Amino acid sequence: NAGVTQTPKFRILKIGQSMTLQCTQDMNHNYMYWYRQDPGMGLKLIYYSVGAGITDKGEVPNGYNVSRSTTEDFPLRLELAAPSQTSVYFCASRSDRASNQPQHFGDGTRLSIL
Amino acid sequence: KNQVEQSPQSLIILEGKNCTLQCNYTVSPFSNLRWYKQDTGRGPVSLTIMTFSENTKSNGRYTATLDADTKQSSLHITASQLSDSASYICVVSALGRGGGADGLTFGKGTHLIIQP
Repeated sequence: NAGVTQTPKFRILKIGQSMTLQCTQDMNHNYMYWYRQDPGMGLKLIYYSVGAGITDKGEVPNGYNVSRSTTEDFPLRLELAAPSQTSVYFCASRSDRASNQPQHFGDGTRLSIL
Repeated sequence: KNQVEQSPQSLIILEGKNCTLQCNYTVSPFSNLRWYKQDTGRGPVSLTIMTFSENTKSNGRYTATLDADTKQSSLHITASQLSDSASYICVVSALGRGGGADGLTFGKGTHLIIQP
């Protein structure tokens, strides 16, 4: 089973450039999440979605945008890259059967803004 | 402010030995507590999820305990193996954060190194 797949695995951007981090899951999960993990810090929620066409802000949404046109895909867009967005980005999904279901994570995208 | 504190920050033990990792939290109201294992360069993988009424939960050589009164949890690893080298993250969910937000507060993790 593929689970949650993120692409690319690594990327270097220049300040002001834009890019889209891709995330797809094959578990038919309605709930999907984007987190960032900074060195020595806990994961922070950027955006989440409870189903196709529905998205909402998390704790640190500034500088990012998301869309959810299908159940499988939840891309994260950086419009004007800034050095503060250098981080590891994780996408996750979970079943909506109950709130205590575990989130399943992808292996992350390591992004450097120079 | 909801917080999750983990200790120690890092730990080195010999293969075959046992170890215990600690997690203290101030998340309120409490819904559940999760332990995740994160291998280097990989995403976190769920080990256990415990609700208010659960005091202990095992997953193979991993045993998690929860004391909701003192707001403490521990993760005990028995007969450690080289493959246990990873970061272990404690995550606490706040009750009432419905609608998919989950209300998760992540700890910074304990970095565990198993030496042969």
